[in-house]
Amino acid sequence: GQNIDQPTEMTATEGAIVQINCTYQTSGFNGLFWYQQHAGEAPTFLSYNVLDGLEEKGRFSSFLSRSKGYSYLLLKELQMKDSASYLCAVIDSNYQLIWGAGTKLIIKP
Amino acid sequence: IAGITQAPTSQILAAGRRMTLRCTQDMRHNAMYWYRQDLGLGLRLIHYSNTAGTTGKGEVPDGYSVSRANTDDFPLTLASAVPSQTSVYFCASMETSGTPADTQYFGPGTRLTVL
Repeated sequence: GQNIDQPTEMTATEGAIVQINCTYQTSGFNGLFWYQQHAGEAPTFLSYNVLDGLEEKGRFSSFLSRSKGYSYLLLKELQMKDSASYLCAVIDSNYQLIWGAGTKLIIKP
Repeated sequence: IAGITQAPTSQILAAGRRMTLRCTQDMRHNAMYWYRQDLGLGLRLIHYSNTAGTTGKGEVPDGYSVSRANTDDFPLTLASAVPSQTSVYFCASMETSGTPADTQYFGPGTRLTVL
């Protein structure tokens, strides 16, 4: 079966750094997405990785290791507005997105 | 219209009733998707359409049907609603250019409660 694992919930302090991990087991791999979803809203695209390594985009960075089936999303200089759920999704061999259950990130002042 | 719209925003429905959730996109994307999102379970694919005139079943298709008569519209129908179909429903679209970098864009969601 296909499976994506993320921590259910994490807590961090405003101004700090937090790393959200994602491990996956899928039938094929054609890329990995991270999405942000605020409560009551739709998911919005954050990043895409298909090759090993780190992709940096402002305060957010995403890392991928295909051999380990592992990715992380790194958020720096945390702001209160970063409180949201972060969803990891993998494109499988049929070009369908397989979604993790999401990590709820709570930012404390 | 800009992006993807869904209607209604929310709905309370009696069990056994028929309901159609509407989804329209103006980006001329080839592919469209319907997901349901339940607490602790993440997004689950109900049905998808890779191009107008074709549809396919996702992970949880039972009790739902879709049609794709044109590029822009992808309605989801619950023929006879049951309480387990209480959920938030998201429609998404994606331009399938053949590269894995295609991104799914989401509508604002429909919150459905079946009593």
